Formats: sequence, C-alpha cells, structure tokens
Amino acid sequence: SQQGEEDPQALSIQEGENATMNCSYKTSINNLQWYRQNSGRGLVHLILIRSNEREKHSGRLRVTLDTSKKSSSLLITASRAADTASYFCATALITGGGNKLTFGTGTQLKVEL
Amino acid sequence: GAVVSQHPSWVICKSGTSVKIECRSLDFQATTMFWYRQFPKQSLMLMATSNEGSKATYEQGVEKDKFLINHASLTLSTLTVTSAHPEDSSFYICSVRGRWGWNQPQHFGDGTRLSIL
Repeated sequence: SQQGEEDPQALSIQEGENATMNCSYKTSINNLQWYRQNSGRGLVHLILIRSNEREKHSGRLRVTLDTSKKSSSLLITASRAADTASYFCATALITGGGNKLTFGTGTQLKVEL
Repeated sequence: GAVVSQHPSWVICKSGTSVKIECRSLDFQATTMFWYRQFPKQSLMLMATSNEGSKATYEQGVEKDKFLINHASLTLSTLTVTSAHPEDSSFYICSVRGRWGWNQPQHFGDGTRLSIL
C-alpha cells in the first residue's frame, strides 16, 4: 500500500492565504521530501527534511517533521495563484527501500485570485 | 536550467507498437535512475530502478519483458514499452539521483504522455 497518505486531497484558498498540507507515513524513514507537480509536468523538489530534523524553511515554505507521530506538514505562506499545483510528500525508507522514494497520495492545491 | 531531459514529451501510436522513452541526466553522472508511472489525478508509482551497467530492478507486478530498461551510460536510461496496448496509456516520468547517497533529492524529467489507440 502507499507509504504516504496526504490530507487534504484537495484544497482551495484565496491568494494571500496560507495553505497547510499534511502527510502521514507508516514506517521508519531516512528522510522525507516534498515535491510540487504542475499539471502535465514532472516533479519539482521543494524541501528535504532528514529524520533528525524537526523543522525546515525555504522562502515561503515551512516543513515540519514529527517522527514520533510519523507525520509531516508543508505550510505555504502568502499563497499566490502560481502556487496552484499538486503537492506530494515522499519518503526515503531506511530498510527494504533500497534507493527509492515512495510517494504519498498528493494534495491538489488551487489558489484563486 | 533543467537537470533531466526526457524525450519525447508526447507519443500517440497504434496498439502493438513499441515505444522508446529516453531520460538524460544533463548536469551530472547518474548512477541511478528511476522510472515512474502516473495515472490521472493519482500519485507516482515506481516501476523500476535503473542502475548504470547492471540490470534494472523491477517493482512487484511490473513486467520486465513488457517494460525494457537500458542504462548503458551514466547519462542515459531508456524505457521501451513493448507491444503497447491501450491499458499502457499513462504518464511516464523518470528521475535521477546522483552518487551522494540517501539525503539528496531526486531530479525529475518533464514526463512522457503515452497514448495508445
């Protein structure tokens, strides 16, 4: 089954508002990564957070990781219409995962003017 | 600029045709490349891990004779969908990871939309 489950599946907000997406996973991880995918395109890496880190920032993005709860969140502040995309969390597994990432179900974000 | 180049971006062909998709690492030598498949409004499902100079590792349920992977150099991996049928229609995406271990992001191509008539 899918390693990551994301919540919500879809989110619609107004420009300027903050958007929060959550990701839960099932097994121990080495790191967790967030990616953005515009419609019909490949994925763009946003942030990588290691298992020994709790919070990371990059511009308007803030990622938290709670390994005790096996969950992560992505916060986009002051959202813009250009942030409209699908957002995926992906986990790099410690055991049995080899070199691969396992992707969550994704959140479709729509930012309206 | 782009780190990974994937070609072609769109393919439409008849049932029974074999289709080759190329994935090139532009900025660095990629010992490992990954091939994913994505259905509309769904997540990415890993099909196989392509290792330079050795056989690809396929995920459970992926037919290796159906989806041929060749990683002949450190900058190029190809995925060939053999005798494609309408159920093979999907969005195929490759990614590369460099030599520096686990804690590095993957870089993705722009994907190939395959439509089998």
